[in-house]
Amino acid sequence: AQRVTQPEKLLSVFKGAPVELKCNYSYSGSPELFWYVQYSRQRLQLLLRHISRESIKGFTADLNKGETSFHLKKPFAQEEDSAMYYCALSETSGSRLTFGEGTQLTVNP
Amino acid sequence: NAGVMQNPRHLVRRRGQEARLRCSPMKGHSHVYWYRQLPEEGLKFMVYLQKENIIDESGMPKERFSAEFPKEGPSILRIQQVVRGDSAAYFCASSGTGLPQHFGDGTRLSIL
Repeated sequence: AQRVTQPEKLLSVFKGAPVELKCNYSYSGSPELFWYVQYSRQRLQLLLRHISRESIKGFTADLNKGETSFHLKKPFAQEEDSAMYYCALSETSGSRLTFGEGTQLTVNP
Repeated sequence: NAGVMQNPRHLVRRRGQEARLRCSPMKGHSHVYWYRQLPEEGLKFMVYLQKENIIDESGMPKERFSAEFPKEGPSILRIQQVVRGDSAAYFCASSGTGLPQHFGDGTRLSIL
């Protein structure tokens, strides 16, 4: 069965510092990986999708199949990046999502 | 496009009552997913539906829970004879074929 692990429940950095939110997965096939973000009082929204290979709001994530990881990175964190971040896996396009427990990121001024 | 609409936002029920949660997908989306988030936990998949069909219900509890997505109208998640352990946030998501899921604001169910 597939599983997504986000080892840090809480992560705190200062504005301008680099940030990396870790995500590891276990799945025997070739999954689709996503990062979703939930800002305060807003709904969960898609941040990144690995097959798009794009940068959104300065964030990037590279799928490392050897390490089964999909870490989210940003070189210079901003206060408005403070939010809850969820890593998620889908077996195939359109199938159910398996979520990690989430990482609460706080960017301090 | 108003996005995925869920109602009610908050629902309070007494033990033994029925809870009905509604979800209207984004315009043009024919796939609906329900997830549950218990306190201090991540979102857990419950059921995946297309119009008039249940595609994957592997995450649904075996008893008291049911879901439908009729030809007309919203998708409904129904919980019969609610218990305290059903207290959670229930999220609906919708997607087009092969596209990412978009989420609603959720329904927070509280059982007294």
